[in-house]
Amino acid sequence: EADIYQTPRYLVIGTGKKITLECSQTMGHDKMYWYQQDPGMELHLIHYSYGVNSTEKGDLSSESTVSRIRTEHFPLTLESARPSHTSQYLCASSERDYNEQFFGPGTRLTVL
Amino acid sequence: GDSVTQMEGPVTLSEEAFLTINCTYTATGYPSLFWYVQYPGEGLQLLLKATKADDKGSNKGFEATYRKETTSFHLEKGSVQVSDSAVYFCALSGGFKTIFGAGTRLFVKA
Repeated sequence: EADIYQTPRYLVIGTGKKITLECSQTMGHDKMYWYQQDPGMELHLIHYSYGVNSTEKGDLSSESTVSRIRTEHFPLTLESARPSHTSQYLCASSERDYNEQFFGPGTRLTVL
Repeated sequence: GDSVTQMEGPVTLSEEAFLTINCTYTATGYPSLFWYVQYPGEGLQLLLKATKADDKGSNKGFEATYRKETTSFHLEKGSVQVSDSAVYFCALSGGFKTIFGAGTRLFVKA
């Protein structure tokens, strides 16, 4: 079944730790996105990718990095987590421009 | 640049009431318009879409019409249920990126 997956769903971690949030999709979509969603619900685009070996920073400045070595995989890494990184992170993919995006279930990150 | 403005929430309704959530947009060109819904603890999922002026998107009793003359895409449902309680996002796509509204939280009371 075509879908988009995120792991872990919940993560509580201490300050200074390195973490990677995983995102995979089985739909063969070239375009993938990472959003940060604040408690007020608003979505902020932090990274996106046009395809393999393509990554771009989004509209919201983020200390995270991403990679796109395979079409289906788009992990997000924080080298040194801080309490200001506490948020919900949503991964999405899209088949082509002007099309809808498909979202994963999200990772809720808490940094103590 | 492109933008989406939707009515602030929360919106609280009784079951079987009529729902309208307003959404207006500014965009260059001819964007596609969407409504997404987010249930507690989940990601967003597409509720309906419209790709050109005068198109009506519909799904699960929800409807929205792409109005170019008023640059609007208001979401409506004739009779809401408790299970419709969620956050609703209006969005536009003018190309690669999608612009989302701030979200409107809906509470439906039994």
